[in-house]
Amino acid sequence: GENVEQHPSTLSVQEGDSAVIKCTYSDSASNYFPWYKQELGKRPQLIIDIRSNVGEKKDQRIAVTLNKTAKHFSLHITETQPEDSAVYFCALRNQGGKLIFGQGTELSVKP
Amino acid sequence: GAGVSQTPSNKVTEKGKYVELRCDPISGHTALYWYRQSLGQGPEFLIYFQGTGAADDSGLPNDRFFAVRPEGSVSTLKIQRTERGDSAVYLCASSQGNSPLHFGNGTRLTVT
Repeated sequence: GENVEQHPSTLSVQEGDSAVIKCTYSDSASNYFPWYKQELGKRPQLIIDIRSNVGEKKDQRIAVTLNKTAKHFSLHITETQPEDSAVYFCALRNQGGKLIFGQGTELSVKP
Repeated sequence: GAGVSQTPSNKVTEKGKYVELRCDPISGHTALYWYRQSLGQGPEFLIYFQGTGAADDSGLPNDRFFAVRPEGSVSTLKIQRTERGDSAVYLCASSQGNSPLHFGNGTRLTVT
């Protein structure tokens, strides 16, 4: 069945540095790959997404890359700020519409 | 417009009781998802509706869990004979076509 592995589980960076979170998956039929940010006690919020026909997408300080051959996708945050501190989840949707989440990465940006 | 609405926001119940959790999706969204999230974990898929029918219920943990969406809009997640292990935040999300999922604020269920 579908499976998505997310690494690392925790990540601590200095303000201004870059942060990279990676997810690997097993179902090659997966066609949509969103990333969500969740602050403590709040709902997950979509920050960026990518579809299987695109290799890279960027939105200001955030970018996502997709390697379909290797079945992994990554979130890149540049010039990190303390307000980027949160838990980040990757997710993927299969052709049937089911969307599953990774285990999460707790990002801490130290001022 | 209004986002995804979930009620109640908090529910405390005794072990063995029955509970119903309600989700009111964004108007016009045909897809509706239920997830369960425990502290420090990612959202765990439970069930997904397209319109009135359950397109994928493979995440429901056992037959104590059931969900309905009779008119293709509001959905109710029903849990029978609740157990302490059912305590979690239950999240609902909706989407239209291939658009991103929009989450509600969740219902925090505590089984004592």
